[in-house]
Amino acid sequence: DIQMTQSPSTLSASVGDRVTITCRASQSISSWLAWYQQKPGKAPKLLIYKASSLESGVPSRFSGSGSGTEFTLTISSLQPDDFATYYCQQYNSYLWTFGQGTKVEIK
Amino acid sequence: QVQLVQSGAEVKKPGASVKVSCKASGYTFTSYDINWVRQATGQGLEWMGWMNPNSGNTGYAQKFQGRVTMTRNTSISTAYMELSSLRSEDTAVYYCARVPRGSYAPLWGQGTLVTVSS
Repeated sequence: DIQMTQSPSTLSASVGDRVTITCRASQSISSWLAWYQQKPGKAPKLLIYKASSLESGVPSRFSGSGSGTEFTLTISSLQPDDFATYYCQQYNSYLWTFGQGTKVEIK
Repeated sequence: QVQLVQSGAEVKKPGASVKVSCKASGYTFTSYDINWVRQATGQGLEWMGWMNPNSGNTGYAQKFQGRVTMTRNTSISTAYMELSSLRSEDTAVYYCARVPRGSYAPLWGQGTLVTVSS
């Protein structure tokens, strides 16, 4: 099975900060990676797919990069609505794996 | 309106089974896979498996092999996830998600809380 390791697990930041979250795969997954945002009591929301493609309706301050085994999600200027938990998900095969999540907290 | 609407919360005893439904509307049900993901309170997302509503083909995470069954009724555009031999660790919110063949999930159901308690 492909393992996904996210870091950090928690991140404290202020409004306006640039934030970067990393996701590493245990083997190459090409660009078959998605990023989700989840708020308490809500279903996950797709932000990025195919490593760097922005889902329709998602603000352009969110961006994704990487390929192979190392990927990043960047929020260029953190907004109040962005405090949430973020997950990466690989879909190299029909068998998905999620990262363990990164909680972005208010500093 | 394209959406997935899941069945309501369930309370089950250890050893019982639960069957959660996921009704699709606003799109052709057989054109997209349905995946199931669960989340225990305060924990991360855990993928359970996928189903192709057109063929009925399924694939399950190794952890759930032998305990989970994913089925569908195409006449009412509804997918089902049944989990058997429930234990307290299965207490979680269960989500269905619409997936373009084997990829990512742009559309999710609202979630169904399953509580396993004696």
